[in-house]
Amino acid sequence: EIVLTQSPTTLSLSPGERATLSCRASQSVNTYLAWYQQKPGQAPRLLIYDASKRATGIPARFSGSASGTDFTLTISSLEPEDFALYYCQHRVKWPFTFGGGTKVEIK
Amino acid sequence: QVQLIESGGGLVKPGGSLRLSCAASGFTFSDHYMSWIRQAPGKGLEWVSYISVTGSAMYYADSVKGRFTISRDNAKNSLYLQMNSLRAEDTAVYYCVRESYYDGSGYFSDSWGQGTRITVSS
Repeated sequence: EIVLTQSPTTLSLSPGERATLSCRASQSVNTYLAWYQQKPGQAPRLLIYDASKRATGIPARFSGSASGTDFTLTISSLEPEDFALYYCQHRVKWPFTFGGGTKVEIK
Repeated sequence: QVQLIESGGGLVKPGGSLRLSCAASGFTFSDHYMSWIRQAPGKGLEWVSYISVTGSAMYYADSVKGRFTISRDNAKNSLYLQMNSLRAEDTAVYYCVRESYYDGSGYFSDSWGQGTRITVSS
């Protein structure tokens, strides 16, 4: 099973600041990696797929990048609605797995 | 618009059974792989099961293999999860999820229902 390790667990930032979230895979997942945002009481929402492609309707301040088995989600300038939980997910082979999540909270 | 509406959740005793249903609308159900993904209270996301467009291929997490069965009825635009021998650790919100093929990029989970809550407790 491929393990995805997200860091940090919690990120405390202010609106307008840049957020950098990390996801490291225990083995190659190529670019079969996605990022999801989840707000309290809501289902997750697809933000980024194929490591760097924005899903439909996702603002340009969200971007994804990859370097080997290291993946990064960047939010260029945090808006109030961006404070939430973020998960990475791979789907290179079954079992598909999620990272443990990073909470972006207001400082 | 895409809608995925789960039903069938509730309180069940350990060892009991439940059948979850997911009614899909707003897209061509038979064109999409589908998944069940769960989230235990205060925890992260866990993929439970995954089914191909025709239902001929099914995948299960080790934690539910042999106890849960995923199925679909394309004529009824519906996805199901039969859960037997339920355990306390199966307590979670269960999401019905649409998988879409992104050309050149593979399949990704792009639409989620609001979830149905399962509580396994005596």
